[in-house]
Amino acid sequence: KAGVTQTPRYLIKTRGQQVTLSCSPISGHRSVSWYQQTPGQGLQFLFEYFSETQRNKGNFPGRFSGRQFSNSRSEMNVSTLELGDSALYLCASSLGQGDYEQYFGPGTRLTVT
Amino acid sequence: EDQVTQSPEALRLQEGESSSLNCSYTVSGLRGLFWYRQDPGKGPEFLFTLYSAGEEKEKERLKATLTKKESFLHITAPKPEDSATYLCATASYNNNDMRFGAGTRLTVKP
Repeated sequence: KAGVTQTPRYLIKTRGQQVTLSCSPISGHRSVSWYQQTPGQGLQFLFEYFSETQRNKGNFPGRFSGRQFSNSRSEMNVSTLELGDSALYLCASSLGQGDYEQYFGPGTRLTVT
Repeated sequence: EDQVTQSPEALRLQEGESSSLNCSYTVSGLRGLFWYRQDPGKGPEFLFTLYSAGEEKEKERLKATLTKKESFLHITAPKPEDSATYLCATASYNNNDMRFGAGTRLTVKP
């Protein structure tokens, strides 16, 4: 069974630009969660999507948004990028909403210059 | 506020030298406590879920235990391939998100 895939793996953007990251969950998994990982703050929860609806949201500004499609694939978008948005963005999938046995993808390394 | 604290931050062991990693938590309405392993440049890999105090789970050289205030990840006779960062996380009935600790970076020398 294929694991969680994320594209792109690496991305370099300039301050003020916007970026869209993509996540394909494990087949049969319907919940997708997004996390930001930085050396200073560690792993922080961004949001969870289930059945195309955002079910839960972490403490991040509105510049961070996401969506989920009918095939459970998910995208997250960050608008008006700031230097502090440089991080590893991880997507995790699980079978259902609130199922915390999550399986992570390899992440997208975003660098903002 | 819910908090998850891991100690030590870093641990260096000789191959075969058993030890334990600690995860202390203050979470109201604990739904579950989770252990993950993360290798450099990769996403975390799920290891265990513990739901109630007294519960234990084992996998190869790893054994996770849970009390009402902390969890331990015991590593028996570690090998160099066990070198990684070990993360613990909690989920609460009250706020639905997962709260991660900062991790313990384990290095096992041959």
